[in-house]
Amino acid sequence: EAQVTQNPRYLITVTGKKLTVTCSQNMNHEYMSWYRQDPGLGLRQIYYSMNVEVTDKGDVPEGYKVSRKEKRNFPLILESPSPNQTSLYFCATHSGTSSYNEQFFGPGTRLTVL
Amino acid sequence: DQQVKQNSPSLSVQEGRISILNCDYTNSMFDYFLWYKKYPAEGPTFLISISSIKDKNEDGRFTVFLNKSAKHLSLHIVPSQPGDSAVYFCAAGLSGYSTLTFGKGTMLLVSP
Repeated sequence: EAQVTQNPRYLITVTGKKLTVTCSQNMNHEYMSWYRQDPGLGLRQIYYSMNVEVTDKGDVPEGYKVSRKEKRNFPLILESPSPNQTSLYFCATHSGTSSYNEQFFGPGTRLTVL
Repeated sequence: DQQVKQNSPSLSVQEGRISILNCDYTNSMFDYFLWYKKYPAEGPTFLISISSIKDKNEDGRFTVFLNKSAKHLSLHIVPSQPGDSAVYFCAAGLSGYSTLTFGKGTMLLVSP
């Protein structure tokens, strides 16, 4: 079954404690990205990756890091989380071959930073 | 500056009636548009798309209309069903670029 998985699904942490949210896909997609969803702000892109070892900033990259060492994984790293990073995070992928770039989203990770 | 706007945060419709969700965009370079549906505790799922060279695309109960001159698109759901209750996101993209720009979403509630 084609899927995008994220772990953890829920996380409560404290300010400054480094954390990583993992994203894995089994569709052999080239393109992966991270979004955050906040009330009244919709989906905003944090980072994206066109391929292995190729990453670029989205609209709201401050406070986040990513890496793409292998095609299937695209972890999101918060080196020093702050309360304003409390949000719902989604990983998304697409093949890069579709005309419309319809993206497949993971189930989401709800992060609370105290 | 918000390039994709969904000005209605919510919409309530009765079962069996038509639901019309609207989306406006400011960047005339966008050449394809997509609608996503999102249920609580799940990720968004792709619903329907349209190229800028078309003005209509239909898939079952879902139809997307594009008015390029007005930089406006709309999603019509006919007939609406309670299972359609979800948040709907409009998104726009540029050919050759893999990123999408999303609107803020509209929460649709279809009551029996």
